[in-house]
Amino acid sequence: EADIYQTPRYLVIGTGKKITLECSQTMGHDKMYWYQQDPGMELHLIHYSYGVNSTEKGDLSSESTVSRIRTEHFPLTLESARPSHTSQYLCASSRGGYSEAFFGQGTRLTVV
Amino acid sequence: KQEVTQIPAALSVPEGENLVLNCSFTDSAIYNLQWFRQDPGKGLTSLLLIQSSQREQTSGRLNASLDKSSGRSTLYIAASQPGDSATYLCAVNNQGGKLIFGQGTELSVKP
Repeated sequence: EADIYQTPRYLVIGTGKKITLECSQTMGHDKMYWYQQDPGMELHLIHYSYGVNSTEKGDLSSESTVSRIRTEHFPLTLESARPSHTSQYLCASSRGGYSEAFFGQGTRLTVV
Repeated sequence: KQEVTQIPAALSVPEGENLVLNCSFTDSAIYNLQWFRQDPGKGLTSLLLIQSSQREQTSGRLNASLDKSSGRSTLYIAASQPGDSATYLCAVNNQGGKLIFGQGTELSVKP
């Protein structure tokens, strides 16, 4: 059982609100990732981090931002949510770049 | 640019049948390949990880093979059960842990 947690699991918010999706892992993994998945579609990498104070944008352009102040914590923030941000957001971590990746349960975001 | 394709997109089988899910990738320079299971509305559960130097990995009723040179991997599920119903995703890792995913195969096992 992987020890990686995402909160909230479900979130419905109004357009223009600022939101932060939380992701925490207790495995001491250096590498953490955020993926976005639309219904029935494949996962796309939007952000990743190789360690504290390291963040990079992924292959899919996203208006969200991330921070990595502590090893175990990798929050994702949307400054002004829009309906186009409606999607499922999945957080993952791995010990190294080529190690097994573990995923959280995801946050299903709906912006109305 | 790496592309990952999974065939078929959906599969329905009767309980007890053995089945094979296919995954192909265009760039053979991968470090590893990972198979995941995703239940509706949930996150991903890691099933098997095959390093590029390995040919196959087994876990219980699951067996995954890798032919890196031809850009193919298969996931074999023996004696399928209704509880195996889920979407199965393969992902290749060829650049620093950035997994590239296929679109998945939606499996339904009928009692």
